[in-house]
Amino acid sequence: TQLLEQSPQFLSIQEGENLTVYCNSSSVFSSLQWYRQEPGEGPVLLVTVVTGGEVKKLKRLTFQFGDARKDSSLHITAAQPGDTGLYLCAGLLGKSTFGDGTTLTVKP
Amino acid sequence: KAGVTQTPRYLIKTRGQQVTLSCSPISGHRSVSWYQQTPGQGLQFLFEYFSETQRNKGNFPGRFSGRQFSNSRSEMNVSTLELGDSALYLCASSHKPEGGLDYGYTFGSGTRLTVV
Repeated sequence: TQLLEQSPQFLSIQEGENLTVYCNSSSVFSSLQWYRQEPGEGPVLLVTVVTGGEVKKLKRLTFQFGDARKDSSLHITAAQPGDTGLYLCAGLLGKSTFGDGTTLTVKP
Repeated sequence: KAGVTQTPRYLIKTRGQQVTLSCSPISGHRSVSWYQQTPGQGLQFLFEYFSETQRNKGNFPGRFSGRQFSNSRSEMNVSTLELGDSALYLCASSHKPEGGLDYGYTFGSGTRLTVV
């Protein structure tokens, strides 16, 4: 049983479009993190959200933690080819648990 | 400062052999975690070490083992390799156990293990 469900699994869009990816769970997490991984490399931490309802912005990326701290979303505005990669969410519940990720492809 | 260093980057082994992978964490980080990443299973937690003690262990067979040294460097060992062990093995370091609330993990680039 996967603790963290990410959707969609794959997403292919044109440059300039907006998108949202989701990370859902039935468990309550003390914190949740988003990472981006490029082929042949390890994941790179983008953000950590801790408080229910928290919204964090990182340039064109907006991260939201659900009020009940069971889910999170990542919204990208005006996607660029450089945003291409695997986006992973990770929840802290005793140990860090990773979702299966969303593979994003942004076409020029 | 230097990032997390994993060696080797690529490795090809034969079924039945054993392998040792190495991870040097960021200076000052005392927590080291290991993950196995495969296309079908995603990132699967292997184990975490903090100050030379194993704090958590994932659901992997006893063929997978690890250790941490006093300088926080860590090694993981896989004995009696199977074809299904082919994967990207990632090491991650952090200031605190379980990545802490605010720090998260810093990952290395991984070791790509292929078992033939």
